[in-house]
Amino acid sequence: NAGVTQTPKFQVLKTGQSMTLQCAQDMNHEYMSWYRQDPGMGLRLIHYSVGAGITDQGEVPNGYNVSRSTTEDFPLRLLSAAPSQTSVYFCASSYTGQGGSYTFGSGTRLTVV
Amino acid sequence: GDSVTQMEGPVTLSEEAFLTINCTYTATGYPSLFWYVQYPGEGLQLLLKATKADDKGSNKGFEATYRKETTSFHLEKGSVQVSDSAVYFCALNQAGTALIFGKGTTLSVSS
Repeated sequence: NAGVTQTPKFQVLKTGQSMTLQCAQDMNHEYMSWYRQDPGMGLRLIHYSVGAGITDQGEVPNGYNVSRSTTEDFPLRLLSAAPSQTSVYFCASSYTGQGGSYTFGSGTRLTVV
Repeated sequence: GDSVTQMEGPVTLSEEAFLTINCTYTATGYPSLFWYVQYPGEGLQLLLKATKADDKGSNKGFEATYRKETTSFHLEKGSVQVSDSAVYFCALNQAGTALIFGKGTTLSVSS
């Protein structure tokens, strides 16, 4: 099993550009979520999904968009990149909500210049 | 909203020392509690978890007990090794939502 796969691993964007961070899991997990990790801030929740067609906002959703058309995929879209979005992004998935252990991807390091 | 508070780091220890990393939480319901570990340059790995009050999670010599009365989930290890050097995150989740993390505690163990 591949687990949770994130692509790309590294990306440099110019301010104002848009892009999609990909996240795919092959474990048939219902729950998926996106986090950003910044120094001294821990991991902050951006968006999450409890199943195909269902998404909700987390703590820091502004500037990001998500959709969940299939169980396997949960892409994160940056609509108009800003330097404040420079961060490491992690995708995670779990077979269930409360009590379920989340599996994390290896992350995408994004720099916006 | 729900939140997790961890002790500030970094924590610097000598090999074989006793480790405690404090974690307290605020939640409206009865969350599940987790400790995740991040080694340098890597993603997060589940270290241990507890899903109800008085449960003890344990793994690789680490332990944490879910204390509802003090809303705490402190991480302990009796004898740390250099290989334990990493960032440790306390987290909670409740039904129908995602994990909520603390800010992380950096542990550095020297030989």
